[in-house]
Amino acid sequence: GAVVSQHPSWVICKSGTSVKIECRSLDFQATTMFWYRQFPKQSLMLMATSNEGSKATYEQGVEKDKFLINHASLTLSTLTVTSAHPEDSSFYICSARDGQANGANVLTFGAGSRLTVL
Amino acid sequence: GEDVEQSLFLSVREGDSSVINCTYTDSSSTYLYWYKQEPGAGLQLLTYIFSNMDMKQDQRLTVLLNKKDKHLSLRIADTQTGDSAIYFCAESIRDTGRRALTFGSGTRLQVQP
Repeated sequence: GAVVSQHPSWVICKSGTSVKIECRSLDFQATTMFWYRQFPKQSLMLMATSNEGSKATYEQGVEKDKFLINHASLTLSTLTVTSAHPEDSSFYICSARDGQANGANVLTFGAGSRLTVL
Repeated sequence: GEDVEQSLFLSVREGDSSVINCTYTDSSSTYLYWYKQEPGAGLQLLTYIFSNMDMKQDQRLTVLLNKKDKHLSLRIADTQTGDSAIYFCAESIRDTGRRALTFGSGTRLQVQP
């Protein structure tokens, strides 16, 4: 089945630094990937839609200059949290849809990346 | 607008059936999904149902959809301790162009031995 790999699984950084999270579709091509954010004991909130070869589409309230998304190939999307602050600490989860195999719009999720900003 | 709601917590004994409920507001939902999340992990798709169906069964899982009431449920038969996790229902909306899923708040299932 479709597999999405996310890296790193956890990261601790100092306030003011930038952190990059990678999301790869391992056995399928994904023209669209989605980045979600999850606070403790809460639901997943969609941050942005990552489109291969074009600009990402951000949800209302998500700062595009803060959360940089790059989708340079059909199997890789990256999320960079720039100038991270403690309030950016969260669980970030990416997902992708195998467009060729999936009429039901099923999303496959990565294992998530836990970011802690000190 | 899109709004998906779930009860927050459910506790059952091992071997009993669990029923997790979900309500949604957007009548143009095309597919509805159930995902499972174990602590510190991503989401695992359990099952999904197309909006023109009212029931789907997959081994221990039974999904019931009442489109009139916009109510979705997931029944887990013979619940095991390994089923303890958070269960999210989600919907996919036709013709919004975004094709991301909208998730409920999640139901934490606790299975007692």
